[in-house]
Amino acid sequence: LAKTTQPISMDSYEGQEVNITCSHNNIATNDYITWYQQFPSQGPRFIIQGYKTKVTNEVASLFIPADRKSSTLSLPRVSLSDTAVYYCLVGAEPGGSYIPTFGRGTSLIVHP
Amino acid sequence: DSGVTQTPKHLITATGQRVTLRCSPRSGDLSVYWYQQSLDQGLQFLIQYYNGEERAKGNILERFSAQQFPDLHSELNLSSLELGDSALYFCASNTPPENTEAFFGQGTRLTVV
Repeated sequence: LAKTTQPISMDSYEGQEVNITCSHNNIATNDYITWYQQFPSQGPRFIIQGYKTKVTNEVASLFIPADRKSSTLSLPRVSLSDTAVYYCLVGAEPGGSYIPTFGRGTSLIVHP
Repeated sequence: DSGVTQTPKHLITATGQRVTLRCSPRSGDLSVYWYQQSLDQGLQFLIQYYNGEERAKGNILERFSAQQFPDLHSELNLSSLELGDSALYFCASNTPPENTEAFFGQGTRLTVV
């Protein structure tokens, strides 16, 4: 599985856009990039998944450059309720098995 | 609500004891994953079952075992418990390869005293 590196923590303020970057230098051709969010004492929750370029849904955008060695999760106009740990995962194999493997994640704190 | 149900929510037991954690996956999901989350180790993958059969093993201790039943619910058995086994235990489900997104339950908080 490709190893991921992301910042341990980030701080932001309400209303700002937050970008969390994840490095995955040895990503494989068939790997997808997936981001999860986890609140204290709750299970992780899927946010977004992508393979290349840009993916957007109702809560976030995911930017993936052409070389796919990194990805950036973008949270528009964060609120206090976005305070959570965000995990970047790499390693889905279409048609095969995939074990969601979590690193330490990025602890995002949103201040008033 | 992810659709994954874990019971019990909280469990307090003594060292040396044995406990069973239960997971009901999302309706129709064939794969169940178990994770352990402690403060110092983060979220660690333990084991995966797919349609009743063990598919992958992670950092699961020999004192721990799991199974998936014909109705697809799963149980994680923890025996000879130690203080260090105190953690949150999460179950997740999905049906690969159709969906690589995993749906997590709310977890069982195990406290060993």
